[in-house]
Formats: sequence, structure tokens, C-alpha cells
Amino acid sequence: QVQLKESGPGLVQPSQTLSLTCTVSGLSLTSNSVSWIRQPPGKGLEWMGVIWSNGGTDYNSAIKSRLSISRDTSKSQVFLKMNSLQTEDTAMYFCARVDYGSYFDYWGQGVMVTVSS
Amino acid sequence: DIQMTQSPASLSASLGETISIECRASEDIYSNLAWYQQKSGKSPQLLIYAANRLQDGVPSRFSGSGSGTQYSLKISGMQPEDEGDYFCLQGSKFPYTFGAGTKLELK
Repeated sequence: QVQLKESGPGLVQPSQTLSLTCTVSGLSLTSNSVSWIRQPPGKGLEWMGVIWSNGGTDYNSAIKSRLSISRDTSKSQVFLKMNSLQTEDTAMYFCARVDYGSYFDYWGQGVMVTVSS
Repeated sequence: DIQMTQSPASLSASLGETISIECRASEDIYSNLAWYQQKSGKSPQLLIYAANRLQDGVPSRFSGSGSGTQYSLKISGMQPEDEGDYFCLQGSKFPYTFGAGTKLELK
């Protein structure tokens, strides 16, 4: 049974760095790819980036300069780090498995991150 | 970036009614199109992938069609549990992009 679960701080101060963890079960990160997607309150979805099964990464160019995605395959964890947070980064952050390189079939429950002083 | 224009923004349907939601891509996305349902406070659930393939466990009243730049999701016989937000996703070119969403309500 494939499961993904996000964890991290609910509140981050402006200009600080956000660190989130996606812990997966029921799949191996060496043969599966994972993306991060976010959704501001009441708004649509934004794809942030992906870490491929071979460890390579691709990022949304809109946030590429602030974003880093990495993983620890032994712990079945994928990490997101994004710096210079602003209030517009307030959102629900999801991790999701990428299938056939083009869509997301399994999603975590999401973690709400609020950027505020 | 590929822009996904989704319509309508909201829709109200009666029980048993057949409805359609459209997504138009700003360029050819070669059927790399998925549809999702999202209920309030929950993560999106995959309904359709590769434009017309039904995800396992999704009721057969959901169907997808289209090619090139034009795609649609059809619900044949609205049910109360179909209320929610619907999004399309293009997975043809980075950055992957989503439609703005359609809010579907039961009339």
C-alpha cells in the first residue's frame, strides 16, 4: 500500500527557510519519482519540482533559485528546502508520486505552512 | 510555460445530469493530460490520466477525451459524492501546470 506523508513546521517567519519532509512507504525511492506541489488557500495548484528515481531533479523556473529537493533513500524520505520565504508562500504543501513521468497518482495529506511574523 | 485554460469556473448540476469540463492547452500536450477531483481539506484524487485512461477504482461514469490542445472530462450521471473541485494537469513539458479549477455543486 503506497503512502506518502508530509511533515514540517506550520509557521515560518518571513525571509527564513522552509524545510519539509515527505516520508514514503510501500515504494522505493530508487525506482519511483516524487514531486512537491503547493496550493495557497482557496487557490489552484502549483508544481514545484521533482526528484527522479535516479536522483536527478527538475524545478519550476519560477522558484528554482530558492528551491532544493533531495532525498535519503535509506530512510524513504524526500526533502524540500526553500529559502527567502514570503507571505505569498503560505500554502498547503503536498508530495506526490510521479507516474509515467507526467502525472501524480498517490498524494500525501499535505502540510499547511503559514509565513508570518 | 504551457497555460491550461479550464472552463467553466463553476457548475451546478442536478442528480443524474451529465456534465463536461474543458481544458485547453496553449500548445500541443500530446495527451499528457490528467484530471483530478479535490474535496475540501483533502488532497487531489486522480481520476483520468493520459487524457482518457480511467484510474483504478474510479467509477465508470467518469470519462476523459481529447487530443492536441483540447481536452474534456465528462461525468455521466451526477452523484452527490461528485461535488468538489476538479483540476486538469498537463505533464507534457516543464513546468507541469494545472488548470485553475472547476467547482462542481449539486443543484
